[in-house]
Amino acid sequence: QSALTQPASVSGSPGQSITISCTGSSSDVGSYNLVSWYQQHPKKAPQLIIYEVIKRPSGISSRFSGSKSGNTASLTISGLQAEDEADYYCCSYGGDTTVGVIFGGGTKVTVL
Amino acid sequence: EVQLVESGGGVIHPGGSLRLSCAASGFTVSSNYMTWVRQAPGKGLEWVSVLYTGDHTTYYADSVKGRFIISRDNSKNTLYLQMNSLRVEDTALYYCARGDIRGYYYGMDVWGQGTTVTVSS
Repeated sequence: QSALTQPASVSGSPGQSITISCTGSSSDVGSYNLVSWYQQHPKKAPQLIIYEVIKRPSGISSRFSGSKSGNTASLTISGLQAEDEADYYCCSYGGDTTVGVIFGGGTKVTVL
Repeated sequence: EVQLVESGGGVIHPGGSLRLSCAASGFTVSSNYMTWVRQAPGKGLEWVSVLYTGDHTTYYADSVKGRFIISRDNSKNTLYLQMNSLRVEDTALYYCARGDIRGYYYGMDVWGQGTTVTVSS
């Protein structure tokens, strides 16, 4: 199973909105609402920020939102802040228990 | 406080073995789907293995199948990853993570700080 496809980098100015795409296939992203997103600051562990495509864990800012259309999921960060500068990874159920979950290659978000 | 603390990493020669531990606090390992995820230096996240609740069902990524074994000790509330026949490409920071109670593919909400494994001759 191939990794999900994410852009290597996305940038924006403070206050702007940015969107990170995550493209899979009809076997994974397209078939299940089991896409999650993780934020990882340098030298830190990943943190769950979106699960089941659109849901936010308790304590996660409402500036983070998720969506999905077909085989592509998206993460939008609105009102970009300096603290949002980090790597972001999407993750999807692979469509079979033996496949497990598949991560995207990661997107580096830079706040200009 | 809900927490995961990994240990056991180190430098090992190719072909060697290592056992990673992940001690949990604030919740019960046996009641949750528990996973190992690794991150090679400068690279992205890679799912390695999962241990289901209850019946000890396990699954592995193709890259480690037949070499790694995930297990838990309920009395110690600890998750393990036994890594055998290690290869240079297994070099990574290894995280343990707690999966959603419905299934780890719903999301992994608690992560440890990771333990580093370096395979080098």
